[in-house]
Amino acid sequence: KAGVTQTPRYLIKTRGQQVTLSCSPISGHRSVSWYQQTPGQGLQFLFEYFSETQRNKGNFPGRFSGRQFSNSRSEMNVSTLELGDSALYLCASSFQTGYGYTFGSGTRLTVV
Amino acid sequence: AQSVTQPDIHITVSEGASLELRCNYSYGATPYLFWYVQSPGQGLQLLLKYFSGDTLVQGIKGFEAEFKRSQSSFNLRKPSVHWSDAAEYFCAVGAHSGGGADGLTFGKGTHLIIQP
Repeated sequence: KAGVTQTPRYLIKTRGQQVTLSCSPISGHRSVSWYQQTPGQGLQFLFEYFSETQRNKGNFPGRFSGRQFSNSRSEMNVSTLELGDSALYLCASSFQTGYGYTFGSGTRLTVV
Repeated sequence: AQSVTQPDIHITVSEGASLELRCNYSYGATPYLFWYVQSPGQGLQLLLKYFSGDTLVQGIKGFEAEFKRSQSSFNLRKPSVHWSDAAEYFCAVGAHSGGGADGLTFGKGTHLIIQP
């Protein structure tokens, strides 16, 4: 059974640009959530999607957005990148919201 | 709001010795509790989880954790550590409210160092 796949693994962007990260959940999992990990703030919840609907959102500015497709794959977008957006972005999938989550290896975003 | 405290930023343990990583949480109702491990440059691997029932939970790699409601704690234990256990360990609390999940709230992590 394939795990959670995140692409790309590494990304370097310039301030002001936008970026799209992709996450393919485990087959059969309908819940996808996103987290940002930084040395200073640790792991912070961004948002969760279930059956193409955003169920909840963390305390992040509107520059951070996401969506989920009918096949449960999810993308997150960050517009007008800032240096502080440099982080490891982790995606997690679950069979059902609120239950055990399986994480992907993450996308390392560096903003220069 | 829910919160998780991992009081120990770093812990050093000799190989073969026992291990206990502390986790305290704050949440109004019965939470879902998790322990994850992260190796450098990698994602998070689930070690074990508690939803309800038996308060002593067995996980992978020989880890176990005990949920103590009276102490709001969910400490992780292992009787004998191996060098491969060196990693970052995260405790997390989750909630399920109505039709959606509030996401996991993580502690800051405990960095485990294994001495030969």
